[in-house]
Amino acid sequence: AQSVTQPDIHITVSEGASLELRCNYSYGATPYLFWYVQSPGQGLQLLLKYFSGDTLVQGIKGFEAEFKRSQSSFNLRKPSVHWSDAAEYFCAVDRFGNEKLTFGTGTRLTIIP
Amino acid sequence: EPEVTQTPSHQVTQMGQEVILHCVPISNHLYFYWYRQILGQKVEFLVSFYNNEISEKSEIFDDQFSVERPDGSNFTLKIRSTKLEDSAMYFCASNQGENQPQHFGDGTRLSIL
Repeated sequence: AQSVTQPDIHITVSEGASLELRCNYSYGATPYLFWYVQSPGQGLQLLLKYFSGDTLVQGIKGFEAEFKRSQSSFNLRKPSVHWSDAAEYFCAVDRFGNEKLTFGTGTRLTIIP
Repeated sequence: EPEVTQTPSHQVTQMGQEVILHCVPISNHLYFYWYRQILGQKVEFLVSFYNNEISEKSEIFDDQFSVERPDGSNFTLKIRSTKLEDSAMYFCASNQGENQPQHFGDGTRLSIL
């Protein structure tokens, strides 16, 4: 069965510093890959997606993610975080592009001044 | 931008009672989903729905659960006889079709007493 691993449960970053959140997936083929963000008490907002093509994808709010087939990874990055980026971040996969999403356990991001 | 709308935002119900959670997916979307997130845990898939029938369901989605699209706009999740362990945040999602990302509502927090 496919699985998604987010090895970092909680990350603390200073405002203005760079950020990288890790995501690894386990599946034979290349699935469709997503990052969602959940602010406290809110729903899941799509940050970006990878379906095919260019392995570096740009998303909203200045985020980007890089797909690395050899590492089965889809890490999320931002060059300079803002206090408003504090939230829970979820990596998710969909096997064929129109199925259920399988989510990782999430990474909680704390921003310190 | 069109949104997925869920009501109510918070539902408190006595154990054993029936509860219906409401969702209005984005109007031109064809595929509908329910997920749940128990406090502190990851988001889990419950059921997907297309062309007026269930296309996939998880082990969680047992006989106590049902979904319905009663008209052209609403998509409901019913829990027939609620249990304490049904307490969770329930998310509705929808997408247009293949290779399109799912868009989520803000969720309904269900509390079973």
